[in-house]
Amino acid sequence: NAGVTQTPKFQVLKTGQSMTLQCAQDMNHEYMSWYRQDPGMGLRLIHYSVGAGITDQGEVPNGYNVSRSTTEDFPLRLLSAAPSQTSVYFCASRGAGTGKNIQYFGAGTRLSVL
Amino acid sequence: DAKTTQPNSMESNEEEPVHLPCNHSTISGTDYIHWYRQLPSQGPEYVIHGLTSNVNNRMASLAIAEDRKSSTLILHRATLRDAAVYYCILRPINTGTASKLTFGTGTRLQVTL
Repeated sequence: NAGVTQTPKFQVLKTGQSMTLQCAQDMNHEYMSWYRQDPGMGLRLIHYSVGAGITDQGEVPNGYNVSRSTTEDFPLRLLSAAPSQTSVYFCASRGAGTGKNIQYFGAGTRLSVL
Repeated sequence: DAKTTQPNSMESNEEEPVHLPCNHSTISGTDYIHWYRQLPSQGPEYVIHGLTSNVNNRMASLAIAEDRKSSTLILHRATLRDAAVYYCILRPINTGTASKLTFGTGTRLQVTL
């Protein structure tokens, strides 16, 4: 039972480079989200999706794009990396109905932008 | 959005009970109270949630004040593996917002032998 899988675990980018953080879940969850966590801070919501083909912005969406072509995958794209995007990124998913109260988080991707 | 206030840090001895407080004086009648914890170098992990009544599960208990302006997460016997940052989060009952968890800075729990 893999749950929520994030790749890569670590990444170093140069300013201006682009990359995609991958997130996959095997629980057939409708809802998926991306958060970032800066040192000593709580998590902040970047983007979320309520189902395939439907996405919306969270608290800090600037500089990030998402798409949701399948239920399982929710990639996060950095179009032109900036040092301010150095952070730990967490993907999460949750079910519907009685499962809606529990979010499952991946182990995170640690990103450094030089 | 309703806000929560938690102590920055707490300490406990192993095998002792731990009471982690959370104040949420502006809570709405339709806000659930959620607790998540984050172990070092890991993603957050669900602990427990409740609306009005006290709740128990295999990980912890949640005691909710009668006026719902505060709550307490209770770990009955702390172990070294419980050392983590514990987040108290309010989530509106509307299903669509269940993805939007607003994390504060939480309480860092240290457990010592």
